[in-house]
Order: sequence, then C-alpha cells, then structure tokens
Amino acid sequence: DSGVTQTPKHLITATGQRVTLRCSPRSGDLSVYWYQQSLDQGLQFLIQYYNGEERAKGNILERFSAQQFPDLHSELNLSSLELGDSALYFCASSVGTSVKETQYFGPGTRLLVL
Amino acid sequence: GENVEQHPSTLSVQEGDSAVIKCTYSDSASNYFPWYKQELGKRPQLIIDIRSNVGEKKDQRIAVTLNKTAKHFSLHITETQPEDSAVYFCAAIETGANNLFFGTGTRLTVIP
Repeated sequence: DSGVTQTPKHLITATGQRVTLRCSPRSGDLSVYWYQQSLDQGLQFLIQYYNGEERAKGNILERFSAQQFPDLHSELNLSSLELGDSALYFCASSVGTSVKETQYFGPGTRLLVL
Repeated sequence: GENVEQHPSTLSVQEGDSAVIKCTYSDSASNYFPWYKQELGKRPQLIIDIRSNVGEKKDQRIAVTLNKTAKHFSLHITETQPEDSAVYFCAAIETGANNLFFGTGTRLTVIP
C-alpha cells in the first residue's frame, strides 16, 4: 500500500458523458501527478499539481482538466468522453516539485467508455 | 520532446537466469532515468533509478547502466525469481519540462 488512494476503482459510462476521478496523496506529499495507461499508448503523463497550482502539463486533452484542492486531494475531470478514453488512470504523489523524486502511485481507476 | 524506446516487448527467462531490458532516449540533456515495475493488476512501483552523473547503480539483484554517449540505459536483473514476473517500464525526463516519458513496457516472465 503506497498511501495514495483513488476513487472510484471502476467506472463504466457512455460516450459523451463526464466523469470525475479523485485522488488523495500520501500524507505530507504536496505534488500530485496524473497518468493515463492504455493498451496502445502505454503510460502517459497528463498533468502535475503542486500545492494547489498547476506545475507541469503533458499530453492532456482539452476535454480533460484537473485541480488540486486546499486539502491537497486532486480531481481529474474527463468530459465529452470517447471510446478511446477507456484506460486505467493513475495518480501519483511525491513530496516536492521535482519529477526526480520518488513518485508513489495509487491503485488506479479503470474507466470503460461504452 | 523526449522519445523513449524500450526493447524487448516480452521476455521469458528460466528461474535463476539473468534478464536485460534496454531503453533508448532522444533528449541528450535528459538526466534522470527511473525504472518501474508493475505486477498484474497493480500499480507501478519505482524499483531503481539513475542520474546522469553515474554510469551504473546496483541494488541487490537489480542494476541499471547508463551510456550517455549512446543515449541508452538498461535494467539488469540477476538470479531471476518467479516474483520478478511483471511489466517493467523505463522512463526518461524531458529536461526543462519536469515530465517523465515512459517506454512501452517489457513483460518479463520468469519460468520456474
């Protein structure tokens, strides 16, 4: 157990819908990273927040957005869902801002878009 | 941007043998290279990392080597055990962007 929690574990929805994925970092960690893992694209970095502020952006679609709240939990919002958005979504947390620090991954949320 | 290629995509070894996974990267200024292990249905976990100021790092049965000139790095697992069976991902940092770019993964199977 890494200490990072994610909810829900599974999510099934339809195309065009919107969903929210939630992540709570390890106690004391200020950075939250979001990753998408799909069969054909591997593990892809989406976005990083540090202490409530966006820190780095990767291959995140405009239909996706994220935020980090004052209690440091983070939410990833996915809208206008398409079949290709079906994937495993991980969040990870670390103490500081640098990507060179150890990232602790949560158990993931498996999203299925039908 | 950074591009990371990983080979092989699958690897089967007999228990006790060694396994080697190789990655190449494109950003010559990249200076941090972690390796993650992901067991079936579980989360990725960092198993070892190396920074560009060293050429090799070892941790028990696991070692990583880095060749900056050739822009490639490798994971070496010795005396493999069935519990080493997992998907292994290499990654490299895109300098200035604070992003990790991951390889496509290697599925390692250790045959008892």
